[in-house]
Amino acid sequence: EVQLVESGGGLVQPGGSLRLSCAASGFTFSTHSMSWVRQAPGKGLEWVANIKQDGSEKFYVDSVKGRFTISRDNAKNSLYLQMNSLRAEDTAVYYCARVPGGYDFNFDYWGQGALVTVSS
Amino acid sequence: DIQMTQSPSTLSASVGDRVTITCRASQSISSWLAWYQQKPGKAPKFLIYKASSLESGAPSRFSGSGSGTEFTLTISSLQPDDFATYYCQQYSRFPLTFGGGTKVEI
Repeated sequence: EVQLVESGGGLVQPGGSLRLSCAASGFTFSTHSMSWVRQAPGKGLEWVANIKQDGSEKFYVDSVKGRFTISRDNAKNSLYLQMNSLRAEDTAVYYCARVPGGYDFNFDYWGQGALVTVSS
Repeated sequence: DIQMTQSPSTLSASVGDRVTITCRASQSISSWLAWYQQKPGKAPKFLIYKASSLESGAPSRFSGSGSGTEFTLTISSLQPDDFATYYCQQYSRFPLTFGGGTKVEI
């Protein structure tokens, strides 16, 4: 059974940093691109970042470029999101999501989400 | 960036109704479109990919159609479990973008 479990969320002050982790199981992690998708309270879904299977290619939404870094450790079946210079507008539930295969960048499995709250 | 616009934003319907949700792209995305269902406090659930292909495990009452810039998600006979918010997503190019969502309520 495919499982994605996020951790590392919490309350952080504006300008602070946080690192989210996503532990993957039930599939061959190294053969799938992975993404982070967020959802602000009461709002819609927003894609944040994607990383290729081997970590060689990364894409970001403009609003997080230069502040967030997506990475992965295939030996540990883990996905990460390092978030720096956090702003109030980054407050959201952050989901890790699996890309099913190839270059079809839709998402067939999602984690339960990790809440990040940026507030003083 | 490709903007995705869903309509309506809210839809009131009854069990057994046929329901149609529209998603429009600001430029052609061929058939690179997915649909998701989300219930409050839960992660989205994958329903349809490549505009009209049903994800395994998704009920057959869900169907998708369209290409280019206009797409629809149809629920042939609304069931109690279908009351939720639905999102479209384009994956023609980065940045990947979602529509604003359509809430289907009683």
